[in-house]
Amino acid sequence: AQSVTQLDSQVPVFEEAPVELRCNYSSSVSVYLFWYVQYPNQGLQLLLKYLSGSTLVKGINGFEAEFNKSQTSFHLRKPSVHISDTAEYFCAVSDQGNTPLVFGKGTRLSVIA
Amino acid sequence: GAVVSQHPSWVICKSGTSVKIECRSLDFQATTMFWYRQFPKQSLMLMATSNEGSKATYEQGVEKDKFLINHASLTLSTLTVTSAHPEDSSFYICSARSGLVYNEQFFGPGTRLTVL
Repeated sequence: AQSVTQLDSQVPVFEEAPVELRCNYSSSVSVYLFWYVQYPNQGLQLLLKYLSGSTLVKGINGFEAEFNKSQTSFHLRKPSVHISDTAEYFCAVSDQGNTPLVFGKGTRLSVIA
Repeated sequence: GAVVSQHPSWVICKSGTSVKIECRSLDFQATTMFWYRQFPKQSLMLMATSNEGSKATYEQGVEKDKFLINHASLTLSTLTVTSAHPEDSSFYICSARSGLVYNEQFFGPGTRLTVL
């Protein structure tokens, strides 16, 4: 069974500083990878996804992620964060057999003014 | 496009009553729908997968007699929490997938259930 590990449960960062949220997955087969953001008491919003092709994926709100097959990682980055980026971020994986998404435990990003 | 709605957005009920949550795909046909549960400050846990017109497949540890799922049409799935108890209080999120956009799930805004 697949699993997703988000190594940091909380990441505090100052406004306009860069941030990296880490995600590792366990599957040995070809996978699809996703990052979602969740604001308080709201549903999930897709930030970006990797299905195939270029390993560097650009998403909304200035976020990007890089798929690294050898390290089974899909870390999320943003060069300069804003207060409005404060939220919970979830990494998710699905294998190419079209299985349901499996989520990591989430990383709480807190941007400090 | 690819909008999923849930109704109600929040519900409070008494212990022992049943609550139905609706999940609709508004602009696409959802061949598969998923129900997730999220406890406060925790991740989403898959409860069940349902395909239109067939019985739902429940994840291990999820009571199928307690959480009734009906995927009656290509745009509607319902989750009924029967004989609800306070420990059923949670945030329930549905997700839908069409046969056209391979492997991408679209999420509803969630339903906050509080059982008193």
